[in-house]
Amino acid sequence: NAGVTQTPKFQVLKTGQSMTLQCAQDMNHEYMSWYRQDPGMGLRLIHYSVGAGITDQGEVPNGYNVSRSTTEDFPLRLLSAAPSQTSVYFCASSYGGRVTDTQYFGPGTRLTVL
Amino acid sequence: AQKITQTQPGMFVQEKEAVTLDCTYDTSDPSYGLFWYKQPSSGEMIFLIYQGSYDQQNATEGRYSLNFQKARKSANLVISASQLGDSAMYFCAMREGGSYNYGQNFVFGPGTRLSVLP
Repeated sequence: NAGVTQTPKFQVLKTGQSMTLQCAQDMNHEYMSWYRQDPGMGLRLIHYSVGAGITDQGEVPNGYNVSRSTTEDFPLRLLSAAPSQTSVYFCASSYGGRVTDTQYFGPGTRLTVL
Repeated sequence: AQKITQTQPGMFVQEKEAVTLDCTYDTSDPSYGLFWYKQPSSGEMIFLIYQGSYDQQNATEGRYSLNFQKARKSANLVISASQLGDSAMYFCAMREGGSYNYGQNFVFGPGTRLSVLP
């Protein structure tokens, strides 16, 4: 099992550019989430999905879109990059949303917006 | 209000000694799970240990154990025989049950940076 994979590992964008961060998991997990991690702010939930075709907003969704067409993949789209979106992005997955369901994280994508 | 509090922004420990990282949580839900993650300087988030609110015994995983005091709402991580490779950020997290909004029921604390000294 590869677990949760993310690509790319690093990315530099110019303001206004768009891009998609890829996330895939091979554990047949229903739940997937995107977080951003900023110094002093901890991990903040951007968007999440509780199954294929079902997505919802988290704490900081503005400027990001998601879709979930398959159980395995959960891409995060930046529509028009802004310097405030410079951050480390983590994708995570869990079997479900029960209290016993551990979230497993991808290796992260470090994004810089100039 | 903060659901997870980690009051130690940074800690130092001598190699081979034990260290306790504090975590207190706030929930009115009787069913919840507590998780600890390690984030080394390489950046990945590594799951360490889990404790359920109904578990009778404290969780243990190798050198990691969880000192779970339910009445005090604390779930401290104990690392025995610290190694240089234990230097990292450590995050406490909680998943609450009884919530209809399952996708958003996983919350993290601010983290504690542990430095192991040779």
